[in-house]
Amino acid sequence: GDSVTQMEGPVTLSEEAFLTINCTYTATGYPSLFWYVQYPGEGLQLLLKATKADDKGSNKGFEATYRKETTSFHLEKGSVQVSDSAVYFCALSPSGSARQLTFGSGTQLTVLP
Amino acid sequence: ETGVTQTPRHLVMGMTNKKSLKCEQHLGHNAMYWYKQSAKKPLELMFVYSLEERVENNSVPSRFSPECPNSSHLFLHLHTLQPEDSALYLCASSQGQNQETQYFGPGTRLLVL
Repeated sequence: GDSVTQMEGPVTLSEEAFLTINCTYTATGYPSLFWYVQYPGEGLQLLLKATKADDKGSNKGFEATYRKETTSFHLEKGSVQVSDSAVYFCALSPSGSARQLTFGSGTQLTVLP
Repeated sequence: ETGVTQTPRHLVMGMTNKKSLKCEQHLGHNAMYWYKQSAKKPLELMFVYSLEERVENNSVPSRFSPECPNSSHLFLHLHTLQPEDSALYLCASSQGQNQETQYFGPGTRLLVL
């Protein structure tokens, strides 16, 4: 079945550091890929998404590129802020079925001032 | 602004109690979802409703009973829960058939004593 594997956390960075959170997936066909973020005490918010190979999703300085050849969707940000501290989830939606979102286990990011 | 609201935000209940969680979406979507988020585990999809009809039930114990009276409201009725059911319960909604984004509510933090 479909699956998503994220790098294990927690990740701790200093403010203005470069961030990479790795995500790889296993799925048939051409899934859509998502990054969701969960701030403390809140639900999940969509951060960015990509629906086909080589698409780049971006939002709030975060980027991720859909790489079908490596089945990856790594999240990057050039300069993190304290306010980026949260849990980040990679997810996929199989082609033709929006209702089966499969999530990774989440990566806790803490940014120190 | 999430567009998906959940009440209550926090709930403590005994194992013999009956309670209900409520979700309301203000986005005009036609599909709604219940997820369970437990510590150190990936999000688990519990139920999916599309056009007010349950289309998915992922082997959830019968002590959880969903209800979708219309496309904007979703309930999760709880009875005779176990301590291991303590978790964050997230509601989400989406629109469309293929690879559409799910929008999440803030969740209900449930503690079963």
